[in-house]
Amino acid sequence: AQTVTQSQPEMSVQEAETVTLSCTYDTSESDYYLFWYKQPPSRQMILVIRQEAYKQQNATENRFSVNFQKAAKSFSLKISDSQLGDAAMYFCAYRYYNTDKLIFGTGTRLQVFP
Amino acid sequence: DAGVIQSPRHEVTEMGQEVTLRCKPISGHNSLFWYRQTMMRGLELLIYFNNNVPIDDSGMPEDRFSAKMPNASFSTLKIQPSEPRDSAVYFCASRESRGYNEQFFGPGTRLTVL
Repeated sequence: AQTVTQSQPEMSVQEAETVTLSCTYDTSESDYYLFWYKQPPSRQMILVIRQEAYKQQNATENRFSVNFQKAAKSFSLKISDSQLGDAAMYFCAYRYYNTDKLIFGTGTRLQVFP
Repeated sequence: DAGVIQSPRHEVTEMGQEVTLRCKPISGHNSLFWYRQTMMRGLELLIYFNNNVPIDDSGMPEDRFSAKMPNASFSTLKIQPSEPRDSAVYFCASRESRGYNEQFFGPGTRLTVL
């Protein structure tokens, strides 16, 4: 069965600095998608970034980028120039390409200090 | 687009009462998901539908929980009778069930059972 592991329950970063959130997953499949979702205090789950497993190039969305290591089954999220509004829970998620089901990690709470 | 709409946003009820949570997916999305989020168990998938048909209800905790999707624009999650351990935030999400498309989440319903 596929699993997603986020080993950092909490992380903190100074405003304007860079922080990396870790995620590993376990799957025997070769075609899948990976996602990072953000959940601010408002509770709304917001998609931050996504990666297709067949693409070698790491996805980037403005200040957010990923380091996708397929062989190592690692999918970390890097937030550059951190802002106070980045403070939230971040969830890593996996989906096999031929299903609808998302499998979430347990989340990492990110605090941003001024 | 209005996004996924959930109602009510907050629900406080007494143990033993029936609770009905409602969801309107994004127009054109043909997959709908119900999740439950608690501190102890994180984000759990309860059930999901494709084209109004339940596909996987293995996450539904027990017979007290039931979900329906009578048409493409409406779904309900019912708990009868409710118990204090059902207190959680319940999310509805939808997606267009093709390839790469991600799930869009509603704002959630915070349920408190006294």
